[in-house]
Amino acid sequence: EAGVVQSPRYKIIEKKQPVAFWCNPISGHNTLYWYRQNLGQGPELLIRYENEEAVDDSQLPKDRFSAERLKGVDSTLKIQPAELGDSAVYLCASSLDQHHTFGSGTRLTVV
Amino acid sequence: KNEVEQSPQNLTAQEGEFITINCSYSVGISALHWLQQHPGGGIVSLFMLSSGKKKHGRLIATINIQEKHSSLHITASHPRDSAVYICAVSRGSNYKLTFGKGTLLTVNP
Repeated sequence: EAGVVQSPRYKIIEKKQPVAFWCNPISGHNTLYWYRQNLGQGPELLIRYENEEAVDDSQLPKDRFSAERLKGVDSTLKIQPAELGDSAVYLCASSLDQHHTFGSGTRLTVV
Repeated sequence: KNEVEQSPQNLTAQEGEFITINCSYSVGISALHWLQQHPGGGIVSLFMLSSGKKKHGRLIATINIQEKHSSLHITASHPRDSAVYICAVSRGSNYKLTFGKGTLLTVNP
């Protein structure tokens, strides 16, 4: 099994540009998470999906961030427009229960 | 105060040494997780435990629910163990993880 697949692995963009990240969770995992990890910090939850429903998006900066999980499988996370402070690693994880499986992350650099 | 505190922040050891990383938490939890993160970002789950002790190879994780404390031990450490070790807790039924800041472990040959 491929595990949780994220793309791209790395992305460098200029500020004010849009960017999108993609995540394919493990087949059958109903719960999908997007986390953001700043340098030297632990990951922090941005949004959690149960199937196609966003059940916890309280930490998602909704003025510039959006996410979707069509058909309850793949998910995309978008930032528009990106700011310098958005530079971080964006991690996707999926789970059936309390055991998370993480993707390799997307390292975003905004210049 | 963070809900999950780890110590030390940084740890340097010589190959073969016994290593301990500590984690304290301030809330009731349903499970505690130990995770490993290598440079490049990917996170691997090492242990999930809610009581007692678990062992996998050279890694041992223990938890004391009454004291809200967990430890991760590495026996006979090796340079390939060099990574960031992260403690995280899950609460209730939503399975969201709250993470500590991580411990950067460097094992020198």
